[in-house]
Amino acid sequence: KAGVTQTPRYLIKTRGQQVTLSCSPISGHRSVSWYQQTPGQGLQFLFEYFSETQRNKGNFPGRFSGRQFSNSRSEMNVSTLELGDSALYLCASSRGGQETQYFGPGTRLLVL
Amino acid sequence: GESVGLHLPTLSVQEGDNSIINCAYSNSASDYFIWYKQESGKGPQFIIDIRSNMDKRQGQRVTVLLNKTVKHLSLQIAATQPGDSAVYFCAEFLFSGGYQKVTFGTGTKLQVIP
Repeated sequence: KAGVTQTPRYLIKTRGQQVTLSCSPISGHRSVSWYQQTPGQGLQFLFEYFSETQRNKGNFPGRFSGRQFSNSRSEMNVSTLELGDSALYLCASSRGGQETQYFGPGTRLLVL
Repeated sequence: GESVGLHLPTLSVQEGDNSIINCAYSNSASDYFIWYKQESGKGPQFIIDIRSNMDKRQGQRVTVLLNKTVKHLSLQIAATQPGDSAVYFCAEFLFSGGYQKVTFGTGTKLQVIP
């Protein structure tokens, strides 16, 4: 069974631009969670989607948004990029209950 | 993904020795815990999990111990190998009303000395 995939793997943007990241969960998984990982803050939870609905949300500004499609694939969008948004963005999928989350390889975003 | 934190605690272990990595979690109501391994340039990889109604769980070369009294989790790796070198961090999950809250530890860097 294929693992969680994320595209693109690397991205360079400039301040003020917006970016969309994509995550394809493991087949059969309906929950997708997004995380931001930085050297200073570690792993921080952004939001979780389940059956196309945002089920849980972390403490990030409204510039960070997401959505989930009927095939459980998810996208995350960051608008008006700031230098501090440079990070590794990880998504993780699970079946949706109290189950283990499996991570993708991440998208490394650099904002210049 | 190269490191969880700039100033991660580092554990250096001789190849073949056992490693013990510790994690203090924050919420006594947390239901579920996972240990992840993150190698440079990769996403976190599931190692082992444990539910709050257990105090020990064993996998292949790994054992997780849960002490709810002091909110402490440990990961024991037997016969540590060079391929075990990575950052290890714990995650605690709280499930409530259909929602889950997850909190990650800052991580420990394990260096295996050949």
